[in-house]
Amino acid sequence: AQTVTQSQPEMSVQEAETVTLSCTYDTSESDYYLFWYKQPPSRQMILVIRQEAYKQQNATENRFSVNFQKAAKSFSLKISDSQLGDAAMYFCAYRSDDTDKLIFGTGTRLQVFP
Amino acid sequence: GAVVSQHPSRVICKSGTSVKIECRSLDFQATTMFWYRQFPKKSLMLMATSNEGSKATYEQGVEKDKFLINHASLTLSTLTVTSAHPEDSSFYICSARGTVAEQYFGPGTRLTVT
Repeated sequence: AQTVTQSQPEMSVQEAETVTLSCTYDTSESDYYLFWYKQPPSRQMILVIRQEAYKQQNATENRFSVNFQKAAKSFSLKISDSQLGDAAMYFCAYRSDDTDKLIFGTGTRLQVFP
Repeated sequence: GAVVSQHPSRVICKSGTSVKIECRSLDFQATTMFWYRQFPKKSLMLMATSNEGSKATYEQGVEKDKFLINHASLTLSTLTVTSAHPEDSSFYICSARGTVAEQYFGPGTRLTVT
């Protein structure tokens, strides 16, 4: 069975600085998708970024980028130029290619200090 | 686009009563909808997957007779918590999958059973 591990329960960053959130996963599959979701205090889950495993190029979305290391089964999220609005819970998630089920990590709470 | 709504946003009910939560995809047709449960400061736990017009598939350990799921149309799925007890108090989140295979999340429903 697939598992997703987020080893950092909490992280903090100064406004305008850069922070990296870690995520590792375990799977025997070769085709899958990886996601980072943000859950602010409103509890609304927001998709931050998505990576297809078959793509070697790391996904980027404005200030958000990932470091996808398929062999190491690592999928970290880098937030550049951190803003106060980035403060939230961040969940890493895995989905295999043949199912719609998302498997979530335990989450990392990110605090942003002015 | 890709908006998912949930109603109600919060509900308080007495122990022993049933409560229904609605999940609607507002601007797309959702072939598949998912129901999650989230305990305080915890990750999302998938409860069940519902496909329009067929019976829901429940995850291991989830009581299908207690958590009734109906997906009668391509834009509506309902979760009914029957004979609710205080331990059913939680935050329930739905998501909907359209043709693009992306999951879009609703804003969640906070259920409190007194």
